[in-house]
Parts: sequence; structure tokens; C-alpha cells
Amino acid sequence: AQTVTQSQPEMSVQEAETVTLSCTYDTSESDYYLFWYKQPPSRQMILVIRQEAYKQQNATENRFSVNFQKAAKSFSLKISDSQLGDAAMYFCALMDSSYKLIFGSGTRLLVRP
Amino acid sequence: DAGVIQSPRHEVTEMGQEVTLRCKPISGHNSLFWYRQTMMRGLELLIYFNNNVPIDDSGMPEDRFSAKMPNASFSTLKIQPSEPRDSAVYFCASSPGQGDQPQHFGDGTRLSIL
Repeated sequence: AQTVTQSQPEMSVQEAETVTLSCTYDTSESDYYLFWYKQPPSRQMILVIRQEAYKQQNATENRFSVNFQKAAKSFSLKISDSQLGDAAMYFCALMDSSYKLIFGSGTRLLVRP
Repeated sequence: DAGVIQSPRHEVTEMGQEVTLRCKPISGHNSLFWYRQTMMRGLELLIYFNNNVPIDDSGMPEDRFSAKMPNASFSTLKIQPSEPRDSAVYFCASSPGQGDQPQHFGDGTRLSIL
């Protein structure tokens, strides 16, 4: 069975600082994709960043970047220059060959002004 | 471009009533997913369709739940009869169903069963 684990229920960061959210996963497939979704209080699910497992280069989207360690099955999200609007629940997700998404339990990010 | 459209946004009904949630996927997307989000269980996949055909309904909790996709632009999730434990946010998502193309989510329906 495929699993996604987010071990940090809640994280806090000072505005303008950097924070890293952890995610580990388990899958027997060699070809898969990883995603981070953001869910603000409005409850929308917003795609933040994605990573193809076959690519060694870590994905980057503006202030958001990932540290993808395939051998360790680790996929952490780094948010640089944190902004108040970054406050939300963040979900790590794994997509396998069936295109199904398996989500972690989420990390609530608080941003202190 | 219009995103995934779900209706209603909120639904409050009494136990035992039939509930129907609706979803319009993004045009051109051939995969559609229904998820349920609760505090206890997080985000769970209930069922997904590919080209209007149900592919995996192993996440549907009970026979009280049913989902249909009569055409490429419309899907429903029905609960009959509803129970208080069905209270949750229900999301619909769609994707092109290719490679790394992510799923795009609707705004969800918050369902409260009294």
C-alpha cells in the first residue's frame, strides 16, 4: 500500500523567514509524481509545486522549492521569505500510475507578523 | 478558464434525507475524482472516473453512497439515506489524466447532516 506521512501537525514561522515542511512516502512503483497542495481557510485546494520522480533536479516555483530525496523517500517543502498569505494547511500528495492522489495528514503553517 | 465547479457550496439537511452533490469538471479533462475531507480521516478518495467510466470505487464507504458520470461534463455523488457521520467537505477534482498533470479541485461542498 502507498502511504504519505507528514509528521509535523503544526509549524510556525516568522514573516520573511524560511520554513521547511517535511513529508515522507512509501511506494513500490518506480514512476510516480509528488505534489504539495495548500488549503487556506477558504478551503480551496491550491497546487503549490510538483515533482516527477524520474527527475533528479528539485522543483522550484518562486519562493517555494522542494528537497526531493528519492532513496530516502523524502519530499520536503521549503518556503522562503514567508508571507502572511502563506498561512494555511499544506498537504503532501503522491500520485501513482493510476492517477490517484494519496494525501498526507497535513501540516498547519502559522505565520507570525 | 473556468475551474472545477461544485454545487451546492453548503448543504444542511436532516438525517435520512437524500443528498446530491454536483460537479462540473474542467472541459477536456477526462479523469474525475470525488474526495471526502474530515478532521478524523483527512482527505480520502471515494471514487474516480476515467472517460466517464468508474475505475475505482473502493473508497466509497457504504452502499448508501453512489456516484455517476453520465457525460464528460457532469458528475453526481449521492448519499441516500444520509447520516450525521457523513458530515464532511466533499471535493471534486479533475485532471487530463496524463503524466504529471495535477488534479484541479473545486471549492468543495460542506455537508452537514443533522
